[in-house]
Amino acid sequence: DQQVKQNSPSLSVQEGRISILNCDYTNSMFDYFLWYKKYPAEGPTFLISISSIKDKNEDGRFTVFLNKSAKHLSLHIVPSQPGDSAVYFCAASDLAGGTSYGKLTFGQGTILTVHP
Amino acid sequence: DAGITQSPRHKVTETGTPVTLRCHQTENHRYMYWYRQDPGHGLRLIHYSYGVKDTDKGEVSDGYSVSRSKTEDFLLTLESATSSQTSVYFCAIRTAGTRSPLHFGNGTRLTVT
Repeated sequence: DQQVKQNSPSLSVQEGRISILNCDYTNSMFDYFLWYKKYPAEGPTFLISISSIKDKNEDGRFTVFLNKSAKHLSLHIVPSQPGDSAVYFCAASDLAGGTSYGKLTFGQGTILTVHP
Repeated sequence: DAGITQSPRHKVTETGTPVTLRCHQTENHRYMYWYRQDPGHGLRLIHYSYGVKDTDKGEVSDGYSVSRSKTEDFLLTLESATSSQTSVYFCAIRTAGTRSPLHFGNGTRLTVT
């Protein structure tokens, strides 16, 4: 059972516009959420995170929104740049449970293409 | 740079042969993880370690074993490789407290023929 789902395999956006990547989760115990970016032949790199006590976290062009009641989070990239073209993974963890050992559960990924 | 080195970077092996992948870190972090990445599945946890000789299974551990005899090295072994284990394998470490991200190595691309 996929506890973290990214239902859009791909997204295409024009340079300068907003990119919105979505992620849904089913485990109500998740309390820490992250987004990673991955380029070909490289490992995933951390982008931004949010704790369940917040509903928004911003870092430069990247903003993550969390809607706990809907079990939904999204990543907004504004403005989008061609260098943002990559695979984006959302991930979640149950930290308050005490037995997670910091394990992350990942979604399937969304391929973002930003056209010049 | 979190100081993670994975070796080898690429490997082709035959079905039924044993394979060991190595993850080496330079900063003595306690928590280490092995994930595999497959199209349509994202990254899935194979095994993880929370200290020397302390390891546990992840969601896709069948067919894999791990060992951690010293802090800096976390080994992933496929006892008898199968074609379904063709994948890209990533090692990750946690460099700070529990509410902190994992940092990943650059991966090992394994092909089982």
